[in-house]
Amino acid sequence: DAKTTQPNSMESNEEEPVHLPCNHSTISGTDYIHWYRQLPSQGPEYVIHGLTSNVNNRMASLAIAEDRKSSTLILHRATLRDAAVYYCILRGMDSNYQLIWGAGTKLIIKP
Amino acid sequence: EPEVTQTPSHQVTQMGQEVILRCVPISNHLYFYWYRQILGQKVEFLVSFYNNEISEKSEIFDDQFSVERPDGSNFTLKIRSTKLEDSAMYFCASSEVGGLGTDTQYFGPGTRLTVL
Repeated sequence: DAKTTQPNSMESNEEEPVHLPCNHSTISGTDYIHWYRQLPSQGPEYVIHGLTSNVNNRMASLAIAEDRKSSTLILHRATLRDAAVYYCILRGMDSNYQLIWGAGTKLIIKP
Repeated sequence: EPEVTQTPSHQVTQMGQEVILRCVPISNHLYFYWYRQILGQKVEFLVSFYNNEISEKSEIFDDQFSVERPDGSNFTLKIRSTKLEDSAMYFCASSEVGGLGTDTQYFGPGTRLTVL
């Protein structure tokens, strides 16, 4: 699975949108972009995934660059509960079973 | 909403003792996983399991570790002779499909293992 690069941490104000970036310049054409998050003292939680088109679900939106070398996870209205470490992970069509975790982005929400 | 459950939430054991960590995956899922996270470090993959066989394992998953699906609902991780460095949070996960780009893994709340 290709490598991803994320900022170590980001801060945002409560009830404002948050844009979490991820760079994956070596992504292959069949790699899916997945996002997970880990709230403090909890297990990781799936957030969203996509291939080429932008995706929306009840938790977040995923914006994928046209060249697919970067993506952005968008939390439309952050709450204190969204404070977590967010991980961007690539999954190939013939990927291994394991998820390969980086350090992620620690999102701090200010009240 | 279906969820992965794990027991116990916290296990304290003496070095050299055997421990069994238990997980109940989501009922219609076919792929099962164990990960661990040492305090302050990244999540690390241990093993994946499908069709009553290990499908992939990491270097961490040595002979001290074993996994089993003893019945239709439970999935267990056994550590035969615990070491101090086994102290970590252990997460169980499950997924409907595996090894594909679209597979989504659902995680349990974890078991905190403390080896004294």
